[in-house]
Amino acid sequence: DSGVTQTPKHLITATGQRVTLRCSPRSGDLSVYWYQQSLDQGLQFLIQYYNGEERAKGNILERFSAQQFPDLHSELNLSSLELGDSALYFCASSEASGSYNEQFFGPGTRLTVL
Amino acid sequence: GDSVTQMEGPVTLSEEAFLTINCTYTATGYPSLFWYVQYPGEGLQLLLKATKADDKGSNKGFEATYRKETTSFHLEKGSVQVSDSAVYFCAPDSNSGYALNFGKGTSLLVTP
Repeated sequence: DSGVTQTPKHLITATGQRVTLRCSPRSGDLSVYWYQQSLDQGLQFLIQYYNGEERAKGNILERFSAQQFPDLHSELNLSSLELGDSALYFCASSEASGSYNEQFFGPGTRLTVL
Repeated sequence: GDSVTQMEGPVTLSEEAFLTINCTYTATGYPSLFWYVQYPGEGLQLLLKATKADDKGSNKGFEATYRKETTSFHLEKGSVQVSDSAVYFCAPDSNSGYALNFGKGTSLLVTP
C-alpha cells in the first residue's frame, strides 16, 4: 500500500459527459502528479500540483483540468469525454517537487467511455 | 523532446534465468533515473533509482547503473522468479516539474 488513495476505482460513462477523479496523497506529501495510461499512448504525464499551485503541465488536453485543495487532495476533471479518453488514470505524490524525489502511485481509476 | 526507448517484450524467461531489460533515453541535462514495476492489476511501485552518473541502484536482486556516456539505464537480475512477472518501466525525470517520462514498458513473464 503506497498510502495514495484514488476514487473511484472504476468509472463508466458516456461520450460528452464530465467526470471527476479524486486523489489523496500520502500524509505529508505536497506534490501531486496525474498520469494517463492507455494502450496506444502508454504512460503519459498530465499535470502536477505543488502545495496548491500548478507546477508543471504535460500532455493534458484543454478539456481536462485539475486542482489541488488546501488539504492537499487533488481532483482531475475530464469533460466532453470521447471514446479515446478511456484509460487508467494514476495519481502519484511526492514529498517535494524536485529530482531524487520518489513518486508514490495510487491504484488508479479505470475510466471507460462508451 | 525527451524520449525513452525500452524493449517492449513480452519477454518470457524460465525461472532462475538471467534478465536484462535495456533502456536508453534522451534528456536535457542529467535527470535522475528510475525503474518502476507494475504487477498485474496494481499501480506502479518504485523498484530502484539512481541520481547521478555511475550510481548503481539496487533492490530485490535487481540492479541498474546510470551510464551517462551511453545515456542508458539497463535493468538486470541474475536469477528471476515467477513472482517477478510484471511490467517494468524505465523513467527518467524531466525538467517539467520532475515529472516522470515513462518508456512503453516491458512485459516480463517468468515460467516455472
